[in-house]
Amino acid sequence: GQQLNQSPQSMFIQEGEDVSMNCTSSSIFNTWLWYKQDPGEGPVLLIALYKAGELTSNGRLTAQFGITRKDSFLNISASIPSDVGIYFCAGQRAGAGSYQLTFGKGTKLSVIP
Amino acid sequence: GAGVSQSPSNKVTEKGKDVELRCDPISGHTALYWYRQSLGQGLEFLIYFQGNSAPDKSGLPSDRFSAERTGGSVSTLTIQRTQQEDSAVYLCASSLDGAGEQFFGPGTRLTVL
Repeated sequence: GQQLNQSPQSMFIQEGEDVSMNCTSSSIFNTWLWYKQDPGEGPVLLIALYKAGELTSNGRLTAQFGITRKDSFLNISASIPSDVGIYFCAGQRAGAGSYQLTFGKGTKLSVIP
Repeated sequence: GAGVSQSPSNKVTEKGKDVELRCDPISGHTALYWYRQSLGQGLEFLIYFQGNSAPDKSGLPSDRFSAERTGGSVSTLTIQRTQQEDSAVYLCASSLDGAGEQFFGPGTRLTVL
């Protein structure tokens, strides 16, 4: 099935550094979602973006919905050890089939104390 | 705990055996989803339930896979004659309706020897 192109695949950063990851798609989505998955757990929703060009923050997290509706990025500022995990982007279409999320392959984040 | 629960958390089986995976969604959520997460991959959509009916089974990878939902609540994913390529984490999610935020369970890690 279709997947989103998510990069980078993995990142090793020092505690306190900022992080940026992004997703691109060949097709348009009406909603972009960013999830975090801890080991042995299911993904948890971090940020949802509903309008092209929208910039949304949630604490140290900032995400933007690309103006073309084909891309999104997630920034994490001043990383801390508990930011470790796998971050997934997901796209959602409107109307029929809106229940189906299309996921990227994830960005594995490691934070070095 | 009012979250999505799944059982078992881990399942090891021999090739050719049948397995059943169970999902208990959040109470009152009418929509239920099954996803498969293979190592290093994003989540792959399998099936969507609205109430007890499954309007979209398009993601089921073969006829060895089936799922049912009874009473608009618990769902069971059955894999018959398991193959080694079926090894993955199977995640269940539920939402208030077919377009709402999806809340994920912790998953069942299936290993087929």
